[in-house]
Amino acid sequence: GDSVTQMEGPVTLSEEAFLTINCTYTATGYPSLFWYVQYPGEGLQLLLKATKADDKGSNKGFEATYRKETTSFHLEKGSVQVSDSAVYFCALSETGGSYIPTFGRGTSLIVHP
Amino acid sequence: GAVVSQHPSWVICKSGTSVKIECRSLDFQATTMFWYRQFPKQSLMLMATSNEGSKATYEQGVEKDKFLINHASLTLSTLTVTSAHPEDSSFYICSASPTGLGETQYFGPGTRLLVL
Repeated sequence: GDSVTQMEGPVTLSEEAFLTINCTYTATGYPSLFWYVQYPGEGLQLLLKATKADDKGSNKGFEATYRKETTSFHLEKGSVQVSDSAVYFCALSETGGSYIPTFGRGTSLIVHP
Repeated sequence: GAVVSQHPSWVICKSGTSVKIECRSLDFQATTMFWYRQFPKQSLMLMATSNEGSKATYEQGVEKDKFLINHASLTLSTLTVTSAHPEDSSFYICSASPTGLGETQYFGPGTRLLVL
């Protein structure tokens, strides 16, 4: 079955540091890939997505590239802010399937001033 | 943009009582809505898929008699936790897919349930 593996957290960074959160996936078909962000006490918000190989999703300074050859969708940001502190979930959904996303376990990011 | 609301945002109840949580899509119609449960510091666990006008589809291990789901209209789904017990305390999140845009899901802000 489909699965998503994320690096374990928490990831602790200083403000303006470079961020990478690794995500790899296993899927039977050609999935769409997503990053969601969950701020403390809130639900999930879609951060970015990519629907086919080599697509780059980007939003709010975050970006991730759909790498079919390495089955990866790593999240990056060049300069993090304290306000980026949250839990980040990588997810996939199979195109043409039920569209129910499969989530990774989430990676907590803590950014210090 | 597409907005999904949940009500209440948090609820405290006594053991043995029932609690209803509402999920509404505010500016779009959603044939399908999903209910998730999230334990502290863990990922989301899909509980059930709610389809407008038909019975919900429950994931393996989820008691359908305990977690009653009603998708009465294209903008409203409800989850009722019946005879709640302390182990039902959790963060419940719904999501909705706009009709015709299957893979796009919009999540509600979540409802925190505490059963005493």
